[in-house]
Amino acid sequence: GAGVSQSPSNKVTEKGKDVELRCDPISGHTALYWYRQRLGQGLEFLIYFQGNSAPDKSGLPSDRFSAERTGESVSTLTIQRTQQEDSAVYLCASRSGTGRVQETQYFGPGTRLLVL
Amino acid sequence: KQEVTQIPAALSVPEGENLVLNCSFTDSAIYNLQWFRQDPGKGLTSLLLIQSSQREQTSGRLNASLDKSSGRSTLYIAASQPGDSATYLCAVTSGTYKYIFGTGTRLKVLA
Repeated sequence: GAGVSQSPSNKVTEKGKDVELRCDPISGHTALYWYRQRLGQGLEFLIYFQGNSAPDKSGLPSDRFSAERTGESVSTLTIQRTQQEDSAVYLCASRSGTGRVQETQYFGPGTRLLVL
Repeated sequence: KQEVTQIPAALSVPEGENLVLNCSFTDSAIYNLQWFRQDPGKGLTSLLLIQSSQREQTSGRLNASLDKSSGRSTLYIAASQPGDSATYLCAVTSGTYKYIFGTGTRLKVLA
């Protein structure tokens, strides 16, 4: 597709259940980000993938959060044993990753997660 | 630790008015600063990106300025229109990939 896509668009789950969120980046983009946006807040960095390099996981809030990406393709963000404070919009963005300073991120529409 | 603040948090103006949104950051050692627009239920769209060596960038009715030494940026919107209603976010990078975002300014332009 022409842009970054995410699925599902909305997810309602019960506390304690696991959820998996998917991101399809723009074809050819080597860099991929996951962010969390709580209601009325800015974006909180979660994790960054660049090609086959080790990801920067420094933003993951707890060991219940994990993310995977194979090569330059789809990424999945998994939240285990969900808690109510995990309720937020999870945004994915991709970037060409060539290292040019003019690069920008292209964002997906997000997945709205509600934990009851 | 870099912190980014945006003032005001919300703004409501009549159509046609010129307006200024403010962004401040605590660590002046930034690589670049970017302004984004976020519409309800949608992701972010990049508006303007200013490199640390630049003072401003312009695109149509938008002009963004950067004063790195004072840790400030402004986004100027000329002749505002109802279609400009959205949340505007600024973000800074201190390296080549990690962005720190402000909490945004929610703008409503009244017809």
